[in-house]
Amino acid sequence: NAGVTQTPKFRILKIGQSMTLQCTQDMNHNYMYWYRQDPGMGLKLIYYSVGAGITDKGEVPNGYNVSRSTTEDFPLRLELAAPSQTSVYFCASSPQGSYNEQFFGPGTRLTVL
Amino acid sequence: DQQVKQNSPSLSVQEGRISILNCDYTNSMFDYFLWYKKYPAEGPTFLISISSIKDKNEDGRFTVFLNKSAKHLSLHIVPSQPGDSAVYFCAASGRNSGYALNFGKGTSLLVTP
Repeated sequence: NAGVTQTPKFRILKIGQSMTLQCTQDMNHNYMYWYRQDPGMGLKLIYYSVGAGITDKGEVPNGYNVSRSTTEDFPLRLELAAPSQTSVYFCASSPQGSYNEQFFGPGTRLTVL
Repeated sequence: DQQVKQNSPSLSVQEGRISILNCDYTNSMFDYFLWYKKYPAEGPTFLISISSIKDKNEDGRFTVFLNKSAKHLSLHIVPSQPGDSAVYFCAASGRNSGYALNFGKGTSLLVTP
């Protein structure tokens, strides 16, 4: 099992550009999450999904969109990149919601200039 | 509003000694707590968890203690090894927080030979 994979590993965007961060898991987990980690801070939840076709906002959803068309994939879309979105983005998955560990991908480091 | 607090940004311990990492939380609805370990340029990896019905959970060299009345938990690593050098995140979840893990800012542990 590859676990949770994320692409790309690094990306530099100009202000106003758009991009999609890819996330795939091969553990057949129903729950998937997107977090961001700013320097010196803990991870904050952006969006999560409890199954294909179902998504919901987390703590910091503004400026992002998600979709979940399959169990395996949970892409995160940035439509108009802003410097405030410079961060490291982590995708995670878990077999259930609460009371379960979440498995994290290696992260995508995004810089918006 | 930081609901999970790790007040020590860093900790240095000699190899073979005990490492104690502390975490405080403010939300009394949290009932499941986790510790994650993170190496640079990697995603967090799950270490150990504890539910609120217990006050101690042990896994090899790692033990987590929970004091619900003080809203405090701690991670003990005995004996500490140089490979334990990493950033440790405390996280909490509960029914009222939905499926989100609320993370502390992390404590950077350095184990010196």
